[in-house]
Amino acid sequence: KAGVTQTPRYLIKTRGQQVTLSCSPISGHRSVSWYQQTPGQGLQFLFEYFSETQRNKGNFPGRFSGRQFSNSRSEMNVSTLELGDSALYLCASSLQPDTGELFFGEGSRLTVL
Amino acid sequence: DQQVKQNSPSLSVQEGRISILNCDYTNSMFDYFLWYKKYPAEGPTFLISISSIKDKNEDGRFTVFLNKSAKHLSLHIVPSQPGDSAVYFCAARKGSSNTGKLIFGQGTTLQVKP
Repeated sequence: KAGVTQTPRYLIKTRGQQVTLSCSPISGHRSVSWYQQTPGQGLQFLFEYFSETQRNKGNFPGRFSGRQFSNSRSEMNVSTLELGDSALYLCASSLQPDTGELFFGEGSRLTVL
Repeated sequence: DQQVKQNSPSLSVQEGRISILNCDYTNSMFDYFLWYKKYPAEGPTFLISISSIKDKNEDGRFTVFLNKSAKHLSLHIVPSQPGDSAVYFCAARKGSSNTGKLIFGQGTTLQVKP
């Protein structure tokens, strides 16, 4: 069974640009969450989607947005990039929203110059 | 406000010995706790979890202990193997409606020496 797939794996952007990251969950998983990992802040929750609806949102500015499609695939977008947005962005999926374990992808490493 | 804390940034143990990783939390509303392992350039991998109604859960070499009165949990790895060398994250959840919204500790880097 294929795991959580994230694309692209690495990307470099400049300040002010915008970026879109993609996540394909494990087949059959309908819940998708996004996390940001930085050396200083650790792993921080961005948002969670289930059935194309945002269920939870973390404490990030409105520049961070996401969506989920009918096939459970998800995208997140960051507009007006700042240097501090450089991070590893991780997507995780679970079978249902109320199951305990999240399965993570390998992440998208974003560098903002 | 760091609700989940892993106070030891690193831990080094000898192969074959026990590794004990600790985690403290502040929010009594947490009902589910998980441990994840992370290798460089990979996403976190789920290891073991425990519900707040239990005080111990075991899976092979991994055992998680929960002390609710002390708001403390620990992960025991016995025996430790060099392949266990990784960063270990403790995570907590506040209710089943927040399954995707885990709160993570800062991580502990475990090194198991051959």
